[in-house]
Amino acid sequence: DAGITQSPRHKVTETGTPVTLRCHQTENHRYMYWYRQDPGHGLRLIHYSYGVKDTDKGEVSDGYSVSRSKTEDFLLTLESATSSQTSVYFCAISEGGQVTDTQYFGPGTRLTVL
Amino acid sequence: AQTVTQSQPEMSVQEAETVTLSCTYDTSESDYYLFWYKQPPSRQMILVIRQEAYKQQNATENRFSVNFQKAAKSFSLKISDSQLGDAAMYFCAYRSQGYSGGGADGLTFGKGTHLIIQP
Repeated sequence: DAGITQSPRHKVTETGTPVTLRCHQTENHRYMYWYRQDPGHGLRLIHYSYGVKDTDKGEVSDGYSVSRSKTEDFLLTLESATSSQTSVYFCAISEGGQVTDTQYFGPGTRLTVL
Repeated sequence: AQTVTQSQPEMSVQEAETVTLSCTYDTSESDYYLFWYKQPPSRQMILVIRQEAYKQQNATENRFSVNFQKAAKSFSLKISDSQLGDAAMYFCAYRSQGYSGGGADGLTFGKGTHLIIQP
C-alpha cells in the first residue's frame, strides 16, 4: 500500500460541467501521475508532476489540466467534461526519490459523463 | 515513441498448471525498465514484477518469473502453479531510463491479457 487515495471513487456528471479529481498521498513522494484506462487501450498517461507546481503533459493531455500546490495533492481537472472523457482514472506515484522508481497506483476513479 | 504489444487478449489455464503471457516492445533505447502489473476485478493495479534492462538475470517473485530477451525485445511472464486468485487482467509496461520531459516520463502500457483460471 503506497498510501494513495483518490476522491471521489465514482462520479456521474453531465457534458459541459467542470470536474476535479483528487489524488492524495501520505508519504511525501516527489513524482505523481494521472492515467486514464479505456477498454482496448490499457492505461495512458494524461499529466504528471515532478514537484510542487512542476507539471508536464502526457500522451493524452487535451481537455485536462492539473495542479499541485502541495506535495501530497495532485488534482486533475476537466474544465468542460465531454462524453469521450468517460473513463477510469488512476493516480500513481514513483516510490522513492527517482523518476525511474516503480510506480504504484491508487484505487481509481470511475467517471461517467452523460 | 515506445510501443508495447500484448498479442494474447485472453488466456486460459487449469488451476495448478503453468501459463506464459507474452509481451513485446519497440524501443531505440538501451536502458529502460519493464513491468508486469495485475488488475483483478477490484480494479486495483498491483505490481507483479519489475525488470531492469541492464540486468541479464531474469526477475523472479515467488511463482512469477519473467523471460527477458533484450535482443528480441521480448518480456514474457510465467506464472507457475496457477491459483484461482491469479485470475485478472495482466498488463506489460515500459519505462524509459531517466527524465526526458515532453510526456515521456510515465509508463507505456500494453492493452492487457485477460487470464482465466479454470478450477
